[in-house]
Amino acid sequence: NAGVMQNPRHLVRRRGQEARLRCSPMKGHSHVYWYRQLPEEGLKFMVYLQKENIIDESGMPKERFSAEFPKEGPSILRIQQVVRGDSAAYFCASSPPGSSGNTIYFGEGSWLTVV
Amino acid sequence: GDSVTQMEGPVTLSEEAFLTINCTYTATGYPSLFWYVQYPGEGLQLLLKATKADDKGSNKGFEATYRKETTSFHLEKGSVQVSDSAVYFCALSDLGQGAQKLVFGQGTRLTINP
Repeated sequence: NAGVMQNPRHLVRRRGQEARLRCSPMKGHSHVYWYRQLPEEGLKFMVYLQKENIIDESGMPKERFSAEFPKEGPSILRIQQVVRGDSAAYFCASSPPGSSGNTIYFGEGSWLTVV
Repeated sequence: GDSVTQMEGPVTLSEEAFLTINCTYTATGYPSLFWYVQYPGEGLQLLLKATKADDKGSNKGFEATYRKETTSFHLEKGSVQVSDSAVYFCALSDLGQGAQKLVFGQGTRLTINP
């Protein structure tokens, strides 16, 4: 049973370019979360999605960031016009339907470097 | 809002030493509590969890007890190994907030010397 799959693992972008990070949840999981980890800090919640719906985006910056989880395919975190401050590790996590156990499982992360 | 405060690192110990990493929290509801571990260059792995007061989570020799009266969830291990070197994150999840989102502490970097 494959875990949460993220790609790319490492991404380098120049300032002003776009970054797209992909996440495939664990099999049977319909809830996806994105977290950001700035250097030497803990993870901060960004967004919580279910299929075709954004449930909670209270942690997403208001501009340049967007997330989707389409009916088919992986969840995508999109960062437009990247700046140096976007350099971070972006972690996706997933959980099964319902709230039982409330344990979420993390992917290995995507490290974005903006040069 | 909810928050988690961890003992500041870095923490450096010798192999076979006793480990405690302190974690306290504030929450409006009745959270579940977690410890996650992050090895160098990797993602987070769930180490242990506790879902209600007085529960003890344990895994790989690590233990933590959910103490509601002191709002704490300290991580302990009786005899650490070099392979335990990693960053440890305490976190809470409060379903009362309407989403299964985790609130993390800032992390504690642990280095074990042989």
